[in-house]
Amino acid sequence: AQKVTQAQTEISVVEKEDVTLDCVYETRDTTYYLFWYKQPPSGELVFLIRRNSFDEQNEISGRYSWNFQKSTSSFNFTITASQVVDSAVYFCALTSGSSNTGKLIFGQGTTLQVKP
Amino acid sequence: NAGVTQTPKFRILKIGQSMTLQCTQDMNHNYMYWYRQDPGMGLKLIYYSVGAGITDKGEVPNGYNVSRSTTEDFPLRLELAAPSQTSVYFCASEGGQGFATEAFFGQGTRLTVV
Repeated sequence: AQKVTQAQTEISVVEKEDVTLDCVYETRDTTYYLFWYKQPPSGELVFLIRRNSFDEQNEISGRYSWNFQKSTSSFNFTITASQVVDSAVYFCALTSGSSNTGKLIFGQGTTLQVKP
Repeated sequence: NAGVTQTPKFRILKIGQSMTLQCTQDMNHNYMYWYRQDPGMGLKLIYYSVGAGITDKGEVPNGYNVSRSTTEDFPLRLELAAPSQTSVYFCASEGGQGFATEAFFGQGTRLTVV
């Protein structure tokens, strides 16, 4: 069975603090893809990153960085120097090679509140 | 460049009524999906389609039907609305090169069944 767990339901930080959102996944497939999406208060889903199971390199994009560790089945997301505009619900998602359709399994989401 | 367009944005239904949620994409994507998002939860897949004329069930298909007569359109039909179908519905499309290119989501339809 495939599963994505985001154990942190809500996180509250003060602006300029660093914050890490955890994501743990389960899959038996050797080929799979992991995603992070952002859902701001307006409700739409914004794609942030995709990572395949063969690429364990960490990635940095501005204030955002992602740490992919197959040994612990984790794909954590860090925001450096958080800003109020980062306040949103963040979803981690998984799709695997066995489905071959790009169907996404979503975690429950982590609500991040950044206070000024 | 419209991307994925969903209509309506909001709707209130009475128990037992029917309605169709519309979804159109202009990116010539083969793969299209319908998800629902319940409060405080992640999205769950209702139905998906890998091309015109082909549809299949996702994780939570009961109470819904879909059709895919064209590449662009993927409507979701609720036949007998129930309070358990109160949710936010998202349509998505993806290029379909196997899998795992970026999925593009519509703005969502907030449905309340009373």
